[in-house]
Formats: sequence, C-alpha cells, structure tokens
Amino acid sequence: SQQGEEDPQALSIQEGENATMNCSYKTSINNLQWYRQNSGRGLVHLILIRSNEREKHSGRLRVTLDTSKKSSSLLITASRAADTASYFCATVLWSGAGSYQLTFGKGTKLSVIP
Amino acid sequence: AAGVIQSPRHLIKEKRETATLKCYPIPRHDTVYWYQQGPGQDPQFLISFYEKMQSDKGSIPDRFSAQQFSDYHSELNMSSLELGDSALYFCASSRGGGLNEAFFGQGTRLTVV
Repeated sequence: SQQGEEDPQALSIQEGENATMNCSYKTSINNLQWYRQNSGRGLVHLILIRSNEREKHSGRLRVTLDTSKKSSSLLITASRAADTASYFCATVLWSGAGSYQLTFGKGTKLSVIP
Repeated sequence: AAGVIQSPRHLIKEKRETATLKCYPIPRHDTVYWYQQGPGQDPQFLISFYEKMQSDKGSIPDRFSAQQFSDYHSELNMSSLELGDSALYFCASSRGGGLNEAFFGQGTRLTVV
C-alpha cells in the first residue's frame, strides 16, 4: 500500500513565489525524505528529516515533519523556473528483513512560470 | 564522485522476449533498490538487497527476478515481457541498510512492442 500520499498533485506558480507541497503517510517511520525528478530522469535526493526532528532547512528548502499527524511539508521559497520538476516524498521504515524500506508517494508536479 | 550506473539506458524488446537490466551501485553502499515507474506514476518498489542478500520484495511479478553479485553489481531479469512492462526502471543504492539518502541511477527505459 502507498505510504506517502502527496497533495497537490500539480502546482503552477509564478517565478519568485513560494511553493508548498504536502505529504501524508500511514505508519511510523524512521525518517522521511524528499526527492526531485526532472521529466524522464533519475530521482535526486533533496533533504532527509528524521522522526525526532520537526523542521529542517537546506538552502531555499524547508521541510517540516509532524509525526502525530503523520504528515510532512516541503516549502520551496523564491521559486525559479529551474525548480520545475516532480517532487516526491519517501518514507523509510524498517522492513524487518535486514534493511529499510524506501517507499515513494504519488508526487507533486511543480511548474514555475518565468 | 562516482554515481549509480545503469545499463542500458534504452531497451526495446518484443512481447515474450527477455531483458536484463544492470546496475552498478556506488562503492561501499550496502543496499540496492529496484523501482519501476510508469508514465506519470510514482516509483513502485520491486526488490531490494542488503549486503548482496535479498532483503525485501515489493510488487515484483513472478516473471521478474533479481540478484546481486559478489562485486555488488545487481541485475534485474525480466522474462515473458508484456506491453505493460514498458516503463522506466531505476536502481538506487544507499548506506546503512537504506537508512540514509538513496542515490538513483539515470534509469533504463524499457519499451515492449
């Protein structure tokens, strides 16, 4: 079953505006990660937030995690046309079989209009 | 820095044929993941390996199998290909059993005709 569900599915904003994407999940996790994917390309890791952290920053990215609500948000500030991509959250939890599962949500397609 | 390398980048096969996708993880990464991504879809987990042993299985058809070799490279073998197998196939590697960030290859685009 899907661990991460994201909303909105698509988001279109003007350059310079902020973009917020949300992710909800179902079970307890070890950490939650956000990835970016340009069309047809490989996924690129953006940021990792551990289950005992509430907020994390990296450049123009801000991630929050609310384990009581099982949700996370990714904020991209001062967006640029180059930020146009799909963004996925992924949850990490122990698989019980020697390693951790990395399960992706459905993703948000972000379009930044110059 | 070395990244995850996948080959081939593109593959065209006919129905009922077989395909082998290869993945070379980042050195000293102990975990390898395989994902399938259809057009406009999220990556679907297929199978993972930890220290060359299969550790977890997702929605992988029985027609597919995978293994990780002594040199840590991994292969995804797909038999009796169907049109619905057309997708992007990604390999990713990670340290710490997958607790840390995963690094993805550029993927293999498989087209079944």
